[in-house]
Amino acid sequence: DVKVTQSSRYLVKRTGEKVFLECVQDMDHENMFWYRQDPGLGLRLIYFSYDVKMKEKGDIPEGYSVSREKKERFSLILESASTNQTSMYLCASSLKAYGYTFGSGTRLTVV
Amino acid sequence: EDQVTQSPEALRLQEGESSSLNCSYTVSGLRGLFWYRQDPGKGPEFLFTLYSAGEEKEKERLKATLTKKESFLHITAPKPEDSATYLCAVRTKNSGGGADGLTFGKGTHLIIQP
Repeated sequence: DVKVTQSSRYLVKRTGEKVFLECVQDMDHENMFWYRQDPGLGLRLIYFSYDVKMKEKGDIPEGYSVSREKKERFSLILESASTNQTSMYLCASSLKAYGYTFGSGTRLTVV
Repeated sequence: EDQVTQSPEALRLQEGESSSLNCSYTVSGLRGLFWYRQDPGKGPEFLFTLYSAGEEKEKERLKATLTKKESFLHITAPKPEDSATYLCAVRTKNSGGGADGLTFGKGTHLIIQP
């Protein structure tokens, strides 16, 4: 069964900390995405990547960065966590022109 | 700008009471419409992809249909385990995430009471 694995289900971090969210897929997909999901706002795209070392900004990239050093791994980095970054973070991957496979999500709380 | 609107926001049904969820879209150049199911605290799970008006797909108690302006997710004789949030998404030439990105609606929260 194909999988997208997010390293943590729940995280609690302090304001100002640097936070790493890891995502690994085992499907050899070219495309990987990071979304955040908030009540009433739906899914919002933060960053995406078409290939190793390639990254593109989504709709809400401010305060975030990403890294894709290997095809199967896409990391989301919160440079200096703030309370307004408390959210559910979802990673997804896809083959070109197909739908997404999502990970289980990471619930991040910044205190 | 591409827009995807789902209605209703929330729906409560009795077990066995059939109904439909709506996803209306205003996009330029639809390249696919996707339905996902999301359980609380989990990532969305893929259900269906529809590509052209008139197309239908079925899976157990769910059937998805597509017209030129909207899609319906019909649920027939639902059971409590069908309770979830159902998300609609479209792929267009303008979707966020480049050529393969999806634009999501905000979802319909469905509750099936025993």
